[in-house]
Order: sequence, then structure tokens, then C-alpha cells
Amino acid sequence: DTAVSQTPKYLVTQMGNDKSIKCEQNLGHDTMYWYKQDSKKFLKIMFSYNNKELIINETVPNRFSPKSPDKAHLNLHINSLELGDSAVYFCASVGLEDEKLFFGSGTQLSVL
Amino acid sequence: DQQVKQNSPSLSVQEGRISILNCDYTNSMFDYFLWYKKYPAEGPTFLISISSIKDKNEDGRFTVFLNKSAKHLSLHIVPSQPGDSAVYFCAASVGRNTGKLIFGQGTTLQVKP
Repeated sequence: DTAVSQTPKYLVTQMGNDKSIKCEQNLGHDTMYWYKQDSKKFLKIMFSYNNKELIINETVPNRFSPKSPDKAHLNLHINSLELGDSAVYFCASVGLEDEKLFFGSGTQLSVL
Repeated sequence: DQQVKQNSPSLSVQEGRISILNCDYTNSMFDYFLWYKKYPAEGPTFLISISSIKDKNEDGRFTVFLNKSAKHLSLHIVPSQPGDSAVYFCAASVGRNTGKLIFGQGTTLQVKP
């Protein structure tokens, strides 16, 4: 009964490929996020969607395209994967009256 | 230019003693601060927060202290328990409900039995 679930948990792929990571939350939250944890362990925001509408895009390359089919889902599609895309990607959500982000368990992406 | 820094990558304490995790920030616009805890292969989970209008917030064994003039906050865990062993992330934001958090790089806490 996971609140924020993302799949897959591990993703190993070749440079140049296109891949997607899916995220779903069952908390009824309106706002969802993608965060990236890089090799230096910093967690950095990438995107934020509120009720299917993009509200934050933190200068992420165009190869990254988030898609929100409904407010419970926020998927991340990455085109032409590069070595530097290797990281752990976390999905998160937050409710209107709450300051606490709820995170998924992460997707470890390895680009070879 | 990291706006939130946790300068100690790791900390080891004995069970029952106090754990003190530190965090510094540079952006004076930050007015809301949070601590998250992360176990391996899991996402970060919220632990405790503090608004800039306060200098202390307590929740059970966890207390967060904020020193605005020094742009410094700390998390105290007392008494420390082996189950507290995890990575602790400090985070800051401008405004309370933005969801746009600026994280530090984390401190790995090991509590020895």
C-alpha cells in the first residue's frame, strides 16, 4: 500500500537509448515532483506539476520530458540518454495544506 | 554554488548518547527548514521542520535548532538508537508549501549498539 510508487527500481541501458520512469501516488495530492540525486549525493529538483500542469522546470535539458496524464501520475521520459544522466531519480508529492514531501523509493538509472 | 551544506559526511555515536547533525545555508531568503531521513534503497522521509520565526522545534527524541544570524541549523537526536542509523538530509525553502526544496548532500549517521 505504497503512497508514492515508482517503476522501475533499477534501469540499466545504453547511451543513446530512450527510457521512461513511471510514478504514481495514492495520497490524493495535487502536486508532484521529480528530483535527481547526482553522484555527489545532492538531491535537486527537476520538475513540478500541479494538477497536470507544469509549474517548475529547473533548467533541465529538453531530452527530459515529464508527462502527467492525471494528477496521480507523473512520468519521466528521457531521450538520447547520456552517461551524465546516471543518477537516482526520485518522484515526490505534496498536499495542499502540507509542507512534507512524500518520496518514492527511487529509480537508479545507469547509462553505459 | 551549494546553498545548503552539510559539511560532515558521516557521524558515529554510541547508542543512548546524543547525535548532533549540522547544516549551514547561504541564502537569507530561506524561511523554512526541514530534515529528512533516508534508509538505503528507500526514498527520504520527513522527520522534522522549523520555520524561521522559531529557533527551536521539538518532536519526541528529535529537536531542531535554528540560528538565523549564523545561517546554521542542527538536528539533535537524544537518546540515539541503532534504528536511527541512516542518511540525514537538511533542506530549505523559500516559503512553506513550495515543495521546491534545496537539499544538502546528507550526513550518514551510524549509531553503535
